[in-house]
Amino acid sequence: SQQGEEDPQALSIQEGENATMNCSYKTSINNLQWYRQNSGRGLVHLILIRSNEREKHSGRLRVTLDTSKKSSSLLITASRAADTASYFCATDWQGAQKLVFGQGTRLTINP
Amino acid sequence: DTEVTQTPKHLVMGMTNKKSLKCEQHMGHRAMYWYKQKAKKPPELMFVYSYEKLSINESVPSRFSPECPNSSLLNLHLHALQPEDSALYLCASSQVNLNTYEQYFGPGTRLTVT
Repeated sequence: SQQGEEDPQALSIQEGENATMNCSYKTSINNLQWYRQNSGRGLVHLILIRSNEREKHSGRLRVTLDTSKKSSSLLITASRAADTASYFCATDWQGAQKLVFGQGTRLTINP
Repeated sequence: DTEVTQTPKHLVMGMTNKKSLKCEQHMGHRAMYWYKQKAKKPPELMFVYSYEKLSINESVPSRFSPECPNSSLLNLHLHALQPEDSALYLCASSQVNLNTYEQYFGPGTRLTVT
């Protein structure tokens, strides 16, 4: 892809378990963002982490960023059925007014 | 109001038709975007408008023609599309800030070209 990859491509877990998704990117960045997309709908911004930050929390979400490895992870704790969605990481691109999205992880939470 | 609205929600058009997709936001954002998304794929950027001027065109075919009539509205004019153009078309908006910005997305228009 132009910028990054995510793994796993698909993840299925039981409700209440934690879900971890990983994102790798290729170029230097100013920030990295995570978005959620419910089936066939628009994307919703979850969290933004700047290149000088290593970890950030928002509710049940924890994001880490390792700029030396050009990678980020999204942890969702105590998962719920409503967390079933596709999750995308996105990075800024070479100072342009644009985001480049990773391939996404399809998360399924089984009740 | 943190909502981006898109109309229509669904559109079916023939290859000889001309149609338009519309997008509106009232958050005072001066950057607006069009994305194309195929099933199980990430959104692909098509166009970016910054301060009502086209700033990025990701080599999109001329059968897609964007327009930004004012700071709240964004249109995508469609003409002579191909079946492979069938996709979810997403509009988004954000503040104009090269380093830190989150994008707000509309629900999308599901386009089918027959």
